[in-house]
Amino acid sequence: DVKVTQSSRYLVKRTGEKVFLECVQDMDHENMFWYRQDPGLGLRLIYFSYDVKMKEKGDIPEGYSVSREKKERFSLILESASTNQTSMYLCASSTRTPGQGGYEQYFGPGTRLTVT
Amino acid sequence: QQQVKQSPQSLIVQKGGISIINCAYENTAFDYFPWYQQFPGKGPALLIAIRPDVSEKKEGRFTISFNKSAKQFSLHIMDSQPGDSATYFCAADYYGQNFVFGPGTRLSVLP
Repeated sequence: DVKVTQSSRYLVKRTGEKVFLECVQDMDHENMFWYRQDPGLGLRLIYFSYDVKMKEKGDIPEGYSVSREKKERFSLILESASTNQTSMYLCASSTRTPGQGGYEQYFGPGTRLTVT
Repeated sequence: QQQVKQSPQSLIVQKGGISIINCAYENTAFDYFPWYQQFPGKGPALLIAIRPDVSEKKEGRFTISFNKSAKQFSLHIMDSQPGDSATYFCAADYYGQNFVFGPGTRLSVLP
């Protein structure tokens, strides 16, 4: 069964702290993604990676960085957390080889981050 | 041009009714149009998807209608059930690395 796991379901951090969000997938997928989800705005892409040590900026990369040292693991880093980064963070993965119809993304359960 | 518009923002339907959610896109390079379903506390999960070479795809009670010339696609949920209450996202993609999601529709099906 496909599985994407995220290190924490809930996280509370203080303004200015460095925050690490970890994501692990067990499907040997090449592509991995980080999104943030806010009410009324849907899912917005922060960064994605299509291979180990490769990364591409998404729509809202400011204030974030990522790391992908191993194929199965993709980390999102908030260098100095701010209150406007309070959000739900979702990790996803997909294969580079399209399945029936397309490139299905498999999502983790999300991390709800609160920055106070 | 990367935006995907989705309406309505929220939808209330009686049990047994038809739920319809509409999406529109601009970028003609998109070649994969999935719908995702998200229950509270869970990540989104693929519900149904379509390629632009067909105008309709049906899986059980869920149907995607696709209008390539109008650059619009919609999700129809027939015989809606309370268990269908969730947030639905349409999306568009090409090459698997250009996913764009709509803002979501919160569906409530009343018993």
